[in-house]
Amino acid sequence: AQTVTQSQPEMSVQEAETVTLSCTYDTSESDYYLFWYKQPPSRQMILVIRQEAYKQQNATENRFSVNFQKAAKSFSLKISDSQLGDAAMYFCAYRRTGGGADGLTFGKGTHLIIQP
Amino acid sequence: DAMVIQNPRYQVTQFGKPVTLSCSQTLNHNVMYWYQQKSSQAPKLLFHYYDKDFNNEADTPDNFQSRRPNTSFCFLDIRSPGLGDAAMYLCATSEGVYEQYFGPGTRLTVT
Repeated sequence: AQTVTQSQPEMSVQEAETVTLSCTYDTSESDYYLFWYKQPPSRQMILVIRQEAYKQQNATENRFSVNFQKAAKSFSLKISDSQLGDAAMYFCAYRRTGGGADGLTFGKGTHLIIQP
Repeated sequence: DAMVIQNPRYQVTQFGKPVTLSCSQTLNHNVMYWYQQKSSQAPKLLFHYYDKDFNNEADTPDNFQSRRPNTSFCFLDIRSPGLGDAAMYLCATSEGVYEQYFGPGTRLTVT
């Protein structure tokens, strides 16, 4: 079974600075998808960024980028120029390919605090 | 322009009293999921519907059931809630292998 581990229950960063959230996973599959989801307080979870395992290039979405290390099974999220609106729970998630309707396997989440 | 709607947002039920949580979507996605998220834990998939096909996770208790009468609606029924079933219940939808769209969740309290 796949597992996803987020070792940082909480992170704090000053506004406008950069922060990196860590995620490791375990799988025997060679092809899969990895995601970072953001869950603001009392609001729904939204997708921040995704990475296909077969792609060597790290995904980037504006201020959000990932460092995907397939051999190390590591998938960290870097947030540049942190903004107050980035404060939320961040979940790393895994989904295998080939199982089109498979659900996500989530980590426990990292609570990100933005200090003004 | 809400896409995945969950009602109610907060639900209180008594120990052993059946309860139903509701999810609806305006996205016309073919897959709908239910996740259970306990405090400080990762969301855990309970089951999903691919169109009308129901797919139960192996470790989902029999106490949890689901219905999907049409594309737009999906229900989570808890037949005899226990104190350990208190959690946030998340509904999500998807069309294809990429993004899942989540509702805001229903927080269930069992007294």
